[in-house]
Amino acid sequence: EVQLVQSGAEVKKPGESLKISCKGSGYSFTNYWIGWVRQMPGKGLEWMGIIYPDDSDTRYSPSFQGQVTISADKSISTAYLQWSSLKASDTAMYYCARHHDYSTSFDAFDIWGQGTMVTVSS
Amino acid sequence: EIVLTQSPATLSFSPGERATLSCGASQSVSRNYLAWYQQKPGLAPRLLIYDASSRATGIPDRFSGSGSGTDFTLTISRLEPEDFAVYYCQQYGSSPRTFGQGTKVEIK
Repeated sequence: EVQLVQSGAEVKKPGESLKISCKGSGYSFTNYWIGWVRQMPGKGLEWMGIIYPDDSDTRYSPSFQGQVTISADKSISTAYLQWSSLKASDTAMYYCARHHDYSTSFDAFDIWGQGTMVTVSS
Repeated sequence: EIVLTQSPATLSFSPGERATLSCGASQSVSRNYLAWYQQKPGLAPRLLIYDASSRATGIPDRFSGSGSGTDFTLTISRLEPEDFAVYYCQQYGSSPRTFGQGTKVEIK
């Protein structure tokens, strides 16, 4: 079964760092772009960026460039989303998702993780 | 950046009715690279349609997508109880990829 399994919910204070993960299984992890999508409480979906695990080629939305870092470790089939200094406005559900077709960077997301809730509060 | 507009924000239907949802783009979507997703409360989105009109694996044929350029439509031919949810369109033909703000399909 093709699946993405994300790390568990996090509660952090403003200014703290955080790295959440997304582990793929059931397919060739290195050959499909993986992306991250933010959903703030009660709001819609926002495309953050994507990474190609084989060579770590990364594309960011301008809205998130410099605010987060997307990375991947192909040896353990895991993608990451990290913050160096969290803000209260980072409170949201974060989903990882896989592109529908292999190797193309322009694609829809067909496989989604279950989501990781990040809460930032003092 | 391409802005996708889904209006209205909420549509009300009875089970068995036909639903038509709209997604308008501020610029032409390259290669009609447009997708539709369904999201139910507490769950991750699910891909319904990609490339404007191709149904994703396992999606019932009551869901269909159409359109090109700047105007796209998702049609649910006959609403089942499990179809009441929020629907999002997404363009992935240009950077940055963007989502519409969503249309909630509720029970009348």
